[in-house]
Amino acid sequence: DVKVTQSSRYLVKRTGEKVFLECVQDMDHENMFWYRQDPGLGLRLIYFSYDVKMKEKGDIPEGYSVSREKKERFSLILESASTNQTSMYLCASISGDSYEQYFGPGTRLTVT
Amino acid sequence: QKEVEQNSGPLSVPEGAIASLNCTYSDRGSQSFFWYRQYSGKSPELIMFIYSNGDKEDGRFTAQLNKASQYVSLLIRDSQPSDSATYLCAVNTGRRALTFGSGTRLQVQP
Repeated sequence: DVKVTQSSRYLVKRTGEKVFLECVQDMDHENMFWYRQDPGLGLRLIYFSYDVKMKEKGDIPEGYSVSREKKERFSLILESASTNQTSMYLCASISGDSYEQYFGPGTRLTVT
Repeated sequence: QKEVEQNSGPLSVPEGAIASLNCTYSDRGSQSFFWYRQYSGKSPELIMFIYSNGDKEDGRFTAQLNKASQYVSLLIRDSQPSDSATYLCAVNTGRRALTFGSGTRLQVQP
């Protein structure tokens, strides 16, 4: 079974803090994704990465950056957290020849 | 117009009935279609995918795809209370990432 793990299930941060969300997958997948999920808005793509050190902006990249130094790890960085970044953050991965995304358990981030 | 549209629900069906969930998409070039189930507070889990026009069956679940009409549906036969969840439709619109609908909440009444 594909396993995607995220560093925290719940996180509370203050406005202006730098926040790191970590995602690790154990299936040697090339592609990894960060989404945020908000009520009524569904899942929205923030960034994705198709290889080590390669990244592409998704639909809502503003206020976020990412890092992929190793194939199994994809980090989402909130440079200066704001209250409108309070959300559920979901990481996902897929192999190069598939579109079947597998999700991690999610991190519920609250910015106060 | 949203790229992937779903009725938010809730869709309420009695136990044992067929639940029918629908999804429309705007990009005619879309090639692959997915249904995810998401329980409250949990992450989405993949339950079905379909690439070709027609029906695809997997146990109590049937996915139906009509590319000419740009809709994909999910039928759940013999619905159980444990099927109560939000069902997300996702479409590959030409990039590696999927585009998700907002989801339909299904309630199965015992």
